[in-house]
Amino acid sequence: NAGVTQTPKFRVLKTGQSMTLLCAQDMNHEYMYWYRQDPGMGLRLIHYSVGEGTTAKGEVPDGYNVSRLKKQNFLLGLESAAPSQTSVYFCASTLGHTSVKTQYFGPGTRLLVL
Amino acid sequence: TQLLEQSPQFLSIQEGENLTVYCNSSSVFSSLQWYRQEPGEGPVLLVTVVTGGEVKKLKRLTFQFGDARKDSSLHITAAQPGDTGLYLCAGAAGATNKLIFGTGTLLAVQP
Repeated sequence: NAGVTQTPKFRVLKTGQSMTLLCAQDMNHEYMYWYRQDPGMGLRLIHYSVGEGTTAKGEVPDGYNVSRLKKQNFLLGLESAAPSQTSVYFCASTLGHTSVKTQYFGPGTRLLVL
Repeated sequence: TQLLEQSPQFLSIQEGENLTVYCNSSSVFSSLQWYRQEPGEGPVLLVTVVTGGEVKKLKRLTFQFGDARKDSSLHITAAQPGDTGLYLCAGAAGATNKLIFGTGTLLAVQP
């Protein structure tokens, strides 16, 4: 099993450009999450999904959109990138049916917006 | 907004020393997890504590959940260079298992 994979690993954008980050998991997990990690701030939840076709906002959703058309994939979109979106983005997934759940993280996507 | 504050933010110690990392909140969590993150990788779960006052040991690492389930600590005995990394606590909130992450403690263990 590959676990959680993310593409691309690294990307440089100009302000105003758009891009989509792809997260894929092969563990048949119900729940998937997108986080951003900035120095001194830990990980902050952007959006999450509790199943195919459903998404919800997290702590810092502005400027991002998501889609979960297939159970194994969770896409994060930036329609018009801003320098404030320079960050490391992590995707995570978890089983949705146990009381205490481990989140499994991908290796991250490093995004630089100029 | 629930917040988890970790202290210290940075810690640089010599191999063989002991250390404790603290994770504090004013909110109650149903469970608390500790993750370790190495450079260029995502966080990896170390332990989950569920019951107030619970203590779990993982080799040289000892984790404790506060009686009121608002705080936690991680104690490392005889630190090794392999313990180097970013340690993150995370409190679980709600049925959707959303995690509130702490601000992180960056540990460097010098040989």
